[in-house]
Amino acid sequence: NAGVTQTPKFQVLKTGQSMTLQCAQDMNHNSMYWYRQDPGMGLRLIYYSASEGTTDKGEVPNGYNVSRLNKREFSLRLESAAPSQTSVYFCASSELAAGGNTQYFGPGTRLTVL
Amino acid sequence: AQTVTQSQPEMSVQEAETVTLSCTYDTSESDYYLFWYKQPPSRQMILVIRQEAYKQQNATENRFSVNFQKAAKSFSLKISDSQLGDAAMYFCAYRRLRANSGGSNYKLTFGKGTLLTVNP
Repeated sequence: NAGVTQTPKFQVLKTGQSMTLQCAQDMNHNSMYWYRQDPGMGLRLIYYSASEGTTDKGEVPNGYNVSRLNKREFSLRLESAAPSQTSVYFCASSELAAGGNTQYFGPGTRLTVL
Repeated sequence: AQTVTQSQPEMSVQEAETVTLSCTYDTSESDYYLFWYKQPPSRQMILVIRQEAYKQQNATENRFSVNFQKAAKSFSLKISDSQLGDAAMYFCAYRRLRANSGGSNYKLTFGKGTLLTVNP
């Protein structure tokens, strides 16, 4: 049982380049999330998908787009990367988006934008 | 807006001893959930324990327990019989219970973390 998987694990981009971070979960969860973690801080929500076919902005959505490809997969795209987007990105999933549902996290992607 | 504060950037404990990590939060809500997540060097975020605000009984998971003081808005984590594998960054997190418009209901609000070192 893999849980939540993310690819790639590491990525280095130049300013202005684009890339897509992939996330998949095998727990049949309805809700998925993208967070970023900056040094000395907790995680902040970028976008989420409460259920297949829906996506909504979180706290820090600027510069990102998402696609809920199907129930299993939720991708995060950087159209024109900026140094301020250097961070560790975590994908998470939960059975439902309701408050008590535990979110399970992937291993993270460390992104550096030069 | 909800905020979560972890006032101890770093803590250390001797193997087999007990350590308590502090967390306070600010909210105007009456119903919510609180979580402790562990992040070892592998960076994986692992759920340690969760507490429903409507429950007076403190949550316990094996060697991990919480002291939930709702009136004081305090949610500390106690680790008993500390093991080397407990060494990690620990994050306290809050999540509101009820839906509202926009994305704020669905996010976990995290503190900045406490780095726990376990000394052999």
